[in-house]
Amino acid sequence: QKEVEQNSGPLSVPEGAIASLNCTYSDRGSQSFFWYRQYSGKSPELIMSIYSNGDKEDGRFTAQLNKASQYVSLLIRVSLPSDSATYLCAVNTGRRALTFGSGTRLQVQP
Amino acid sequence: DGGITQSPKYLFRKEGQNVTLSCEQNLNHDAMYWYRQDPGQGLRLIYYSQIVNDFQKGDIAEGYSVSREKKESFPLTVTSAQKNPTAFYLCASSLQGARNTGELFFGEGSRLTVL
Repeated sequence: QKEVEQNSGPLSVPEGAIASLNCTYSDRGSQSFFWYRQYSGKSPELIMSIYSNGDKEDGRFTAQLNKASQYVSLLIRVSLPSDSATYLCAVNTGRRALTFGSGTRLQVQP
Repeated sequence: DGGITQSPKYLFRKEGQNVTLSCEQNLNHDAMYWYRQDPGQGLRLIYYSQIVNDFQKGDIAEGYSVSREKKESFPLTVTSAQKNPTAFYLCASSLQGARNTGELFFGEGSRLTVL
């Protein structure tokens, strides 16, 4: 079992719709969780972090964490074509460095 | 402006050659990391360093070497022992200790192609 699992996609949504990206992790001791956005050929950029159960909202983005079920999700409201990218879920188990999922490619159709 | 600088952005190497990728940060971060990314894949940890003059192997350290002589610098050498070195290499840094939330700050990456 991979430590951090994501559906590779592509996830295709129409412009203006809600995009929902999901991630599961295996280490119950994981302490903090991150969503990075990566455009093709570029380095990842942090868009959301979440540390406790529940929802965290920042503009059009909402991160959701459920430690009992070991999943974290990212909702993007009012999706824009510029949101088209690969979204990487990353988990801090407190051991050494972030562990990344393989990413979900999102395509927002104009 | 604080940040992480990687160089070169693009590098071509012949088989059998060693190459060194540079990574410099002025964020005053204690920890530095090297990740490798292959097309359609996530990031895999090569090496990391939590303090000057100390570093640890990550998940795919074979064929790579690093040094951490200064807090600001963490160069990565891709040796001829690395069988499939063509990839996108990302350097990152983070705070350490009680302030460490695990958040990583990335450089712009170096794309290595073996001819």
